[in-house]
Amino acid sequence: DSGVTQTPKHLITATGQRVTLRCSPRSGDLSVYWYQQSLDQGLQFLIQYYNGEERAKGNILERFSAQQFPDLHSELNLSSLELGDSALYFCASSPHATVGEQYFGPGTRLTVT
Amino acid sequence: TQLLEQSPQFLSIQEGENLTVYCNSSSVFSSLQWYRQEPGEGPVLLVTVVTGGEVKKLKRLTFQFGDARKDSSLHITAAQTGDTGLYLCAGVWSNYQLIWGAGTKLIIKP
Repeated sequence: DSGVTQTPKHLITATGQRVTLRCSPRSGDLSVYWYQQSLDQGLQFLIQYYNGEERAKGNILERFSAQQFPDLHSELNLSSLELGDSALYFCASSPHATVGEQYFGPGTRLTVT
Repeated sequence: TQLLEQSPQFLSIQEGENLTVYCNSSSVFSSLQWYRQEPGEGPVLLVTVVTGGEVKKLKRLTFQFGDARKDSSLHITAAQTGDTGLYLCAGVWSNYQLIWGAGTKLIIKP
């Protein structure tokens, strides 16, 4: 158990809909990273927050957005969902503002039908 | 574009055999991390290598960082079924982002 929690574990929704994925980092970690992993592929970095501020952006679509709240939990919002958005979405936390070891949550499996 | 190439993409061997997987780039990284991911779970950090030429051992797993810090290898001795998983390498290229390889899917058959 990494100490990072993600909800929900599974999510099935229709095209065009909007969903919110939630992540709680390990106690004391200020950085939260979001990743997308499609079937049998590596991790695609989406976005990083550090202590409530956006720190870095990766390959995040304009239909996707994220935020980190004062209690340090983070939410990833996915809107106007397409079939191709079906994937595993992972949150990772780290005590570092800059890159260091990351601790991953169990992921949310999103299925868009 | 910074790329990390992992090879082989897929490896299936018998329990007890040895294996090596590779992580290569044309770029120099300040450090490199190895993760293992089991089906349906998040990646778990195995090791971080920082110094060119560095060798780290984790039980039957030996990790090496190339002298030029452009490549790394993971060697598993006497593989066990519990080693099955997706092995990912990630290079620290900038302060804000890891560059991830696509992974090596390893299956150890009993």
